Amino acid sequence: RKEVEQDPGPFNVPEGATVAFNCTYSNSASQSFFWYRQDCRKEPKLLMSVYSSGNEDGRFTAQLNRASQYISLLIRDSKLSDSATYLCAAPKAAGNKLTFGGGTRVLVKP
Amino acid sequence: GAVVSQHPSRVICKSGTSVKIECRSLDFQATTMFWYRQFPKQSLMLMATSNEGSKATYEQGVEKDKFLINHASLTLSTLTVTSAHPEDSSFYICSAKYGGGSYNEQFFGPGTRLTVL
Repeated sequence: RKEVEQDPGPFNVPEGATVAFNCTYSNSASQSFFWYRQDCRKEPKLLMSVYSSGNEDGRFTAQLNRASQYISLLIRDSKLSDSATYLCAAPKAAGNKLTFGGGTRVLVKP
Repeated sequence: GAVVSQHPSRVICKSGTSVKIECRSLDFQATTMFWYRQFPKQSLMLMATSNEGSKATYEQGVEKDKFLINHASLTLSTLTVTSAHPEDSSFYICSAKYGGGSYNEQFFGPGTRLTVL
């Protein structure tokens, strides 16, 4: 099983709709998780950190399900500018390193 | 968030030459920086962990003699791709760990797109 797995998508989302997708992780001891947004040919930018059951920032909500070992990201009222690849990251078993999932591509269309 | 710069943003070189990439944390001190490589339509692959004042730790399969890392100060890490070949063409991105202890947030530089002819 991969350390961090994501549905690659793409998720085609009508503008204004809600979209949600998950990220599963294998290290049950992980305490922190991160969602990054990456635009084409750009660096990842930190979107949200998740240290407990979840986090919310405006239209974005992240939830952590420790029993099933996944985190989710929900985007409400999708904007065209939300089109990007969303990467989730979890700490490796030891040390400060992060393992990244393959990313989920989201395409918001008018 | 914390700001990380990377230079150059793009480099094209001939096969066999060496290329040096700089990664700087601009508004914080980073005892740990990371170097990643990303091929088209693939995710980030960690190459090595760069620790200030000590040797870098390389991931399995990454040649330490080919990818030389130096972390001479708390704000600067460099990656040198020695004797670059076309298969080394990729997007190289550094990140810096912000905060101490188990606080694992990483902030990324803008990346360096390397093309080896």
